[in-house]
Amino acid sequence: GAGVSQSPSNKVTEKGKDVELRCDPISGHTALYWYRQSLGQGLEFLIYFQGNSAPDKSGLPSDRFSAERTGGSVSTLTIQRTQQEDSAVYLCASSDGTSVDTQYFGPGTRLTVL
Amino acid sequence: KNQVEQSPQSLIILEGKNCTLQCNYTVSPFSNLRWYKQDTGRGPVSLTIMTFSENTKSNGRYTATLDADTKQSSLHITASQLSDSASYICVVIASGTYKYIFGTGTRLKVLA
Repeated sequence: GAGVSQSPSNKVTEKGKDVELRCDPISGHTALYWYRQSLGQGLEFLIYFQGNSAPDKSGLPSDRFSAERTGGSVSTLTIQRTQQEDSAVYLCASSDGTSVDTQYFGPGTRLTVL
Repeated sequence: KNQVEQSPQSLIILEGKNCTLQCNYTVSPFSNLRWYKQDTGRGPVSLTIMTFSENTKSNGRYTATLDADTKQSSLHITASQLSDSASYICVVIASGTYKYIFGTGTRLKVLA
């Protein structure tokens, strides 16, 4: 079975542009997470979806960041008016939402803001 | 201060040697502690999962230990291989939450 996939794998954009990052979770996984991994830093939680709703958006660093999930499956993370400090690897993970579930991670999207 | 601290930050060993990576955490109470392996350019992959009541868990050449009293965990890699070169991340999940709290990882390089 397919794992978590993300696209694009690499994205280079100019400061001020908007970008959209996509995550396809494992089929049937109800929970979906977005993380950011900056150079030399640990993984930073951004947002959590259970189904299509996002009960925890506490990790989004600013109102330039938003995410949605449709049909309980695909999720899109949107960064508006990108800044250089947004450069990082954005990782998506999904899990089946059970009590001791394991998050399965996608390969990530490397975002570079020039 | 990070709630999950790992040491060393990086480590270089020769193929065939053993090594031990450390994780100290302050998250309390916690439901489980996990070790992940992250190859360069890839997402993290789960190696071991231990609940707070478990002391040790093995997965092939990887053995994780947990001391909930001292809030320490270690990951021991036996007979290292070149393919073990990766970052190893300690993750703690606080009780009653879904949130993963990540350490900054240990970057291991195994040389031939």
